[in-house]
Amino acid sequence: DTVLTQSPATLSLSPGERATLSCRASQSISNFLAWYQQKPGQAPSLLIYDASNRATGIPARFSGSGSGTDFTLTISSLEPEDFAVYYCQQRSDWPLTFGGGTEVEIK
Amino acid sequence: EVQLLESGGGLAQPGGSLRLSCAASGFTFSSYAMRWVRQAPGKGLEWVSAISGSSGTIYYADSVKGRFTISRDNSKNMVYLQMSSLRAEDTAVYYCARRGDHSYMDVWGKGTTVTVSS
Repeated sequence: DTVLTQSPATLSLSPGERATLSCRASQSISNFLAWYQQKPGQAPSLLIYDASNRATGIPARFSGSGSGTDFTLTISSLEPEDFAVYYCQQRSDWPLTFGGGTEVEIK
Repeated sequence: EVQLLESGGGLAQPGGSLRLSCAASGFTFSSYAMRWVRQAPGKGLEWVSAISGSSGTIYYADSVKGRFTISRDNSKNMVYLQMSSLRAEDTAVYYCARRGDHSYMDVWGKGTTVTVSS
């Protein structure tokens, strides 16, 4: 199974700051990685697919990069609504797997 | 509007069974593969099962293989998750999700809660 390791577990930042989240795969997954955002009490929502493509309606402050085993989600300037938990997910092989999540909290 | 709505959650005893349902609307259901994903209380996301649009291809996580069965009825725009031999560790919110055009889960339901306890 492909294990996805997200870091840090928690990121404490202020609105307007830049957030950089990491996702590392235990083996190469090409660019078959997505990022999801989950707010408390809500279902996850798709942010980024195939490592660097924004899903429909996602603001340009969200960007993704990486390939192979190392991936990054960057939020250029945090808005109040961006404080949430972020998960990466790979579709390179079965079983589909998620990272453990990074919580972006207000400092 | 594209929508998924889960139902069927509740309290079950260890060793018991439950059937979850997911009603889809607003898109051509038979054209899309579907997934079930769960989230234990305070934990992360875990993929559970997947089914292709024609039901010809099905996958399960090892943690549920042999106990859970995924199915769909394209005439009713429904996907199901039959859960048996339930364990305490199956306690979670269960989400159904659509495999979108880019092969990721682009539409999610609000989830249904399953609690396994005596």
